[in-house]
Amino acid sequence: DTAVSQTPKYLVTQMGNDKSIKCEQNLGHDTMYWYKQDSKKFLKIMFSYNNKELIINETVPNRFSPKSPDKAHLNLHINSLELGDSAVYFCASSHSGSNTQYFGPGTRLTVL
Amino acid sequence: SQQGEEDPQALSIQEGENATMNCSYKTSINNLQWYRQNSGRGLVHLILIRSNEREKHSGRLRVTLDTSKKSSSLLITASRAADTASYFCATDVNSGTYKYIFGTGTRLKVLA
Repeated sequence: DTAVSQTPKYLVTQMGNDKSIKCEQNLGHDTMYWYKQDSKKFLKIMFSYNNKELIINETVPNRFSPKSPDKAHLNLHINSLELGDSAVYFCASSHSGSNTQYFGPGTRLTVL
Repeated sequence: SQQGEEDPQALSIQEGENATMNCSYKTSINNLQWYRQNSGRGLVHLILIRSNEREKHSGRLRVTLDTSKKSSSLLITASRAADTASYFCATDVNSGTYKYIFGTGTRLKVLA
């Protein structure tokens, strides 16, 4: 069983569209994260939720809106996609008492 | 500003040789972690070293931490082709949240 899963794995879309990426973890963790990895492999944190509460909200355009329906899920909705949004988006989870994060396989988003 | 920066950016060695990667950071930390990312995959946690520790071992991995120089090194001994991956250091921002800043990584290639 996959510990942290993301869907879709690949997403190709036109500029201006709205898209969502879903993340689920079956590790019983209470903290989840979204990261963006650009073409130079720089990994930047975007958001983090702990027990469905937003605890980290980096300087991210408000076109990006995370949503955590429960502790096991953290989705990312992106409005009005731009070329610069093209990247690999990683979901991760951890237990709030631990520093170790478990990453999903990533979603490669390509905006044309 | 970016917290962790790895050096070198890329490293190519022969199987059996040792590989050393360095990480420098800018502000005080509680702990530092090293992660591995295989091509097209998510990051995998390797080892964590706390600010009051100077050295830590895990199998063929040896991590050192020098808080006075704000630097850490990851040594992989007797490298194998399967060690080919990107290696990232991640530092906590000492803010009470589980926010980690990742560097841009060292791309290691182990030639068989």
